[in-house]
Amino acid sequence: TQLLEQSPQFLSIQEGENLTVYCNSSSVFSSLQWYRQEPGEGPVLLVTVVTGGEVKKLKRLTFQFGDARKDSSLHITAAQPGDTGLYLCAGASNQAGTALIFGKGTTLSVSS
Amino acid sequence: EAGVVQSPRYKIIEKKQPVAFWCNPISGHNTLYWYLQNLGQGPELLIRYENEEAVDDSQLPKDRFSAERLKGVDSTLKIQPAELGDSAVYLCASGQGSYNEQFFGPGTRLTVL
Repeated sequence: TQLLEQSPQFLSIQEGENLTVYCNSSSVFSSLQWYRQEPGEGPVLLVTVVTGGEVKKLKRLTFQFGDARKDSSLHITAAQPGDTGLYLCAGASNQAGTALIFGKGTTLSVSS
Repeated sequence: EAGVVQSPRYKIIEKKQPVAFWCNPISGHNTLYWYLQNLGQGPELLIRYENEEAVDDSQLPKDRFSAERLKGVDSTLKIQPAELGDSAVYLCASGQGSYNEQFFGPGTRLTVL
């Protein structure tokens, strides 16, 4: 059974701080996605990484896919209250049509 | 482009009652998913459709849960009878493309009393 472990589970920081969220597995994924979910809403796709070692940037968010495609990280620079939410990583074992395997998520709270 | 639509947004029922959730996916998306999400946890797959065919329902508790996707567009998820432990958010997602990116609806929050 493929599992994705996310850490930390909870993170509470002050505005302006930097943070990193980790997503680890013993399995290889063909691609990995990061989602952000706000209370009362469904997850929203932030990024998809597909190549080992790939780095993608989305404004203050930096996503990295591990060289072996078993792990990923999300780094947020100068966090803002609007970054508050549940961050989920999800891995795909095949490229098309299979269900994603979701981690349990990291709940981030950024206070001003 | 309209996103994934789900209704109702909230439902409160007593245990042993039936309940149904409806989902309209993004136009043109052949793959449709139903997930269950408990508070502060990641979504867990219940069933996946490719067009009107259920291709993965291994995690669907078939003694009380059923789903259908007539004509390969809208889908309905039903629970009969509901149990206290079914209280959760039920998410519908649709997707297409090489990397299985999924687009989620806002979910239906079910409370079973």
